[in-house]
Formats: sequence, structure tokens, C-alpha cells
Amino acid sequence: AQSVTQPDIHITVSEGASLELRCNYSYGATPYLFWYVQSPGQGLQLLLKYFSGDTLVQGIKGFEAEFKRSQSSFNLRKPSVHWSDAAEYFCAVPNAGGTSYGKLTFGQGTILTVHP
Amino acid sequence: DAGVTQSPTHLIKTRGQQVTLRCSPKSGHDTVSWYQQALGQEPQFIFQYYEEEERQRGNFPDRFSGHQFPNYSSELNVNALLLGDSALYLCASSFRTGGTDTQYFGPGTRLTVL
Repeated sequence: AQSVTQPDIHITVSEGASLELRCNYSYGATPYLFWYVQSPGQGLQLLLKYFSGDTLVQGIKGFEAEFKRSQSSFNLRKPSVHWSDAAEYFCAVPNAGGTSYGKLTFGQGTILTVHP
Repeated sequence: DAGVTQSPTHLIKTRGQQVTLRCSPKSGHDTVSWYQQALGQEPQFIFQYYEEEERQRGNFPDRFSGHQFPNYSSELNVNALLLGDSALYLCASSFRTGGTDTQYFGPGTRLTVL
């Protein structure tokens, strides 16, 4: 079964600094991958997704992610963090044998704190 | 274009009671998935409905059941509530017939079991 791991439980950055959140996946073939963001007590908002093709994916709110097969990673990046980016971030993979549909399996999440 | 909507927003029940949560998918979507998110945890998949049938189920007991209506909206029912059922219940919709299944989430229903 496919799975994702987010090694960092909590990351703190200063406003204006760059950000990279790590996500490692476990799957033999090319996976489908997603990043979601969740503000406290709220639902999940889709930031970006990777299905195939270009390994650098652009998302909303200035976020991007790069798929690296050699490292089994799909790290989320932002060049300059804003205070409003403080939230919890989840990496996710569909768990239906290489298809893009079916249940999503989430990483443990990374809580981002932004200092002024 | 309305996104995924869920009702109610909050709900308080006591142990042993039954609860029904409702979800309306994003316009044009035909698939609804339900997730349970305990406090401080990642969402856990409960089940997915497509063409009014349960297509996939996670590791949840039979106390959790669901339904999808012809208009693609869905209900999640939980019987014999336990304290451990307290969580944020998230509904996600997607367009499976389209070939790829990007799931878009609603705001969730916060269930508290006393």
C-alpha cells in the first residue's frame, strides 16, 4: 500500500523567510501526490497536486512542490512566508493501487508557525 | 460555484445516541468520501460513495454507515456513539467519472460525544 511520511512535526520560520516542508512517499510506480493545508478547526484546502509530467508543480498561494523520484520525495516550498501561512500542512497519496481515486492516506502533518 | 458544504457545523451527543451528518458535493462532482479527524491527528478514511454504492471502506466498524442520493449528496450515520467518536468529520467530493479523482474538502462537522 502507498504511504507518505512527513518527518517534521513542527516547523517555525520568520515572516519573509523561505519554507520547505518535507514529504516522502513509499510506492514502486509513479504515485499521485497531493498537498493540503488546514487552519485550526477548518476543512482541508488543496494547495497542489502531482499526477504526471513536469516534476515542478505550481499551486495556490505561491506554493510549489517538486517530485523527485530518486529521493522518493514531494517537498512543498514557498520563497517568502506570510503570517497567514501559519497552519497545518498534510501530504497525501491515494491508496488504490496506482490509480488516482480512492481513499487518501495522509502523512502525520506538519504544523507551521510563523514569527513576525 | 459553491464548494463542498456540510451540516451541521457542530453537534453534541451523548454516548449510545445516533447521529447523521450531511454533505453536498461541489457542483459537477459525483463521488463523496468521508474522513474522521481526531484532535491533533491526520484524517482517517471512513468510506467512499460513487453511483450510490459504497466503493471503498476504511478500518471503521459497522456502526459507521452511509448513503449517497441520486443528486450525489451523502449522509454519514454513526450508531451507538462512543466517547472516542468525538472528532471533526470531513466530507470530500470529486469527479471520478472524469478519470482523476482530486478530492475537495468541506469545512467539516465537529462532533462531541459526552
